[in-house]
Amino acid sequence: QKEVEQNSGPLSVPEGAIASLNCTYSDRVSQSFFWYRQYSGKSPELIMSIYSNGDKEDGRFTAQLNKASQYVSLLIRDSQPSDSATYLCAVRPPNADGLTFGKGTHLIIQP
Amino acid sequence: NAGVMQNPRHLVRRRGQEARLRCSPMKGHSHVYWYRQLPEEGLKFMVYLQKENIIDESGMPKERFSAEFPKEGPSILRIQQVVRGDSAAYFCASSPASGYSYEQYFGPGTRLTVT
Repeated sequence: QKEVEQNSGPLSVPEGAIASLNCTYSDRVSQSFFWYRQYSGKSPELIMSIYSNGDKEDGRFTAQLNKASQYVSLLIRDSQPSDSATYLCAVRPPNADGLTFGKGTHLIIQP
Repeated sequence: NAGVMQNPRHLVRRRGQEARLRCSPMKGHSHVYWYRQLPEEGLKFMVYLQKENIIDESGMPKERFSAEFPKEGPSILRIQQVVRGDSAAYFCASSPASGYSYEQYFGPGTRLTVT
């Protein structure tokens, strides 16, 4: 069974610091990787997508992908209290359109 | 509102009743996906549809659940004879096309409570 694993947390980070969120996946041939943010009681909001090895930056967010290690991460620079949420890692398996989600990491930014 | 729309936002049904959840994709999107999020669990893919076609229903429970996306109107997820275990948040997502580089955008969800 294809799996996406995340540390459930909570991960507590002081305001202004870098938050580092990690995700591993089991299907080696997966090609598409996504990070979503979900506030309590709300729907997932797409933050980043990444398809190639290396880093992809968008504002305060950087996604990192290492296909050899089957590892994808999300860095949040200059963390703000409004970044406190659950972050979901999602992988699109090969030959499929539905995304496989991890259970999410609960991030708390401490003022 | 150009985003994905879902209604109702909250739905309460008694055991044995039917639940109908509706989803209108984002403007310009013709691909719809349904996901379920059970309490304390992750999002699980249920079904992927294009207009008038079910493309992938590998995540759909075999009984009581069905989905459609007619030529006109919203996509509908139908749950017959609901049971307490069906209580969950049901999210719809849409994308402009299929393929590995296309992103899925989620609607606000329908929270189903079965009493």
